[in-house]
Amino acid sequence: DAKTTQPPSMDCAEGRAANLPCNHSTISGNEYVYWYRQIHSQGPQYIIHGLKNNETNEMASLIITEDRKSSTLILPHATLRDTAVYYCIVRVATLDDKIIFGKGTRLHILP
Amino acid sequence: GAVVSQHPSRVICKSGTSVKIECRSLDFQATTMFWYRQFPKQSLMLMATSNEGSKATYEQGVEKDKFLINHASLTLSTLTVTSAHPEDSSFYICSATGASPTNYGYTFGSGTRLTVV
Repeated sequence: DAKTTQPPSMDCAEGRAANLPCNHSTISGNEYVYWYRQIHSQGPQYIIHGLKNNETNEMASLIITEDRKSSTLILPHATLRDTAVYYCIVRVATLDDKIIFGKGTRLHILP
Repeated sequence: GAVVSQHPSRVICKSGTSVKIECRSLDFQATTMFWYRQFPKQSLMLMATSNEGSKATYEQGVEKDKFLINHASLTLSTLTVTSAHPEDSSFYICSATGASPTNYGYTFGSGTRLTVV
């Protein structure tokens, strides 16, 4: 079973920041938080991951709470192309550790 | 960056026939590949894990004789849906590891939409 809880859907106005929450209260010390997204009828796309520090890349920022029980993915300036299902996943960062997907959050960017 | 190519992107087959889906890592050696299926408006469900040169490990409830997985090389894994039926119609996605250490190499293919008529 997935180890994360996410809201089923969210709306965000185009140009605004989209903040997607994720609860992972049972995360273990050696588990990372990963975010992927899936645009309709495509394979999932890696966005970002982190262990305990906040992370930023060209796509998004990841804010992890100090107790690591929750995190927030931030898309700073959402565009219509960001409409997708976003998956928050916790896993050990080894090459053979399988990814189990939860239900994710369906993000709608509104024009 | 790491690229995983999946073919075909769409396939329609008649009930009772078999269909083969290929998953290739184009610029890295994939030590492990994973196969998922996804029904409309549902999440991805892991079907099996395959390691090069060994038998695949299937998730509970997945029929190994129906979904044949072969990982004969470090760049190619195939999923064959045998004796396909309409209920096998789904979106099949592969992923591969062994690439970028940045995200520990989890790269996904673009998926194959299988329709069994």
